[in-house]
Amino acid sequence: QKEVEQNSGPLSVPEGAIASLNCTYSDRGSQSFFWYRQYSGKSPELIMFIYSNGDKEDGRFTAQLNKASQYVSLLIRDSQPSDSATYLCAVIPTSGTYKYIFGTGTRLKVLA
Amino acid sequence: DAGVIQSPRHEVTEMGQEVTLRCKPISGHNSLFWYRQTMMRGLELLIYFNNNVPIDDSGMPEDRFSAKMPNASFSTLKIQPSEPRDSAVYFCASSTGVAGELFFGEGSRLTVL
Repeated sequence: QKEVEQNSGPLSVPEGAIASLNCTYSDRGSQSFFWYRQYSGKSPELIMFIYSNGDKEDGRFTAQLNKASQYVSLLIRDSQPSDSATYLCAVIPTSGTYKYIFGTGTRLKVLA
Repeated sequence: DAGVIQSPRHEVTEMGQEVTLRCKPISGHNSLFWYRQTMMRGLELLIYFNNNVPIDDSGMPEDRFSAKMPNASFSTLKIQPSEPRDSAVYFCASSTGVAGELFFGEGSRLTVL
């Protein structure tokens, strides 16, 4: 079992719709969770981080964390064509270390 | 700040040659990470340093790979000898080391023929 798993996609949504991206992780002791966006040919950039169970909102983005079920999700409201990219979930699996483990990413396509 | 600086941006070499990738982290960041990205395997952590000391190198594929961080502002990743399966984009990233944001360089695209 991979430490961090994501559906590779592509996930296609129409412009203006809500895009829902999911990520599961294997280490129950994981403490910190991140969502990065990567445009084709570019480096990853941070969108959001979440440490506690529940929802965290930042503009059009909402991160959701459920430690009991070991999943973290990212919702993008009012999706725009400029949101088309690969979204990478990252987890720090063990408290006390700072070893960021990434999923393979989900490719999102927002159709105009 | 200039961000994380990597060089070279592109490297094409022949099998068996030595490859050295370089990274300058953001000033004040005390953690540095080397990742390799391929379509098949995604972003894989190779090694990370904290305060110039290698903390975890379990992701280094084999003895052909080595990494050093002689000071807080410079790190190298060396592959000797290189093989075609080493072709990938190699990213360096730095952070403040407290589970905060990872800042990535623009990557070094390596092609081994």
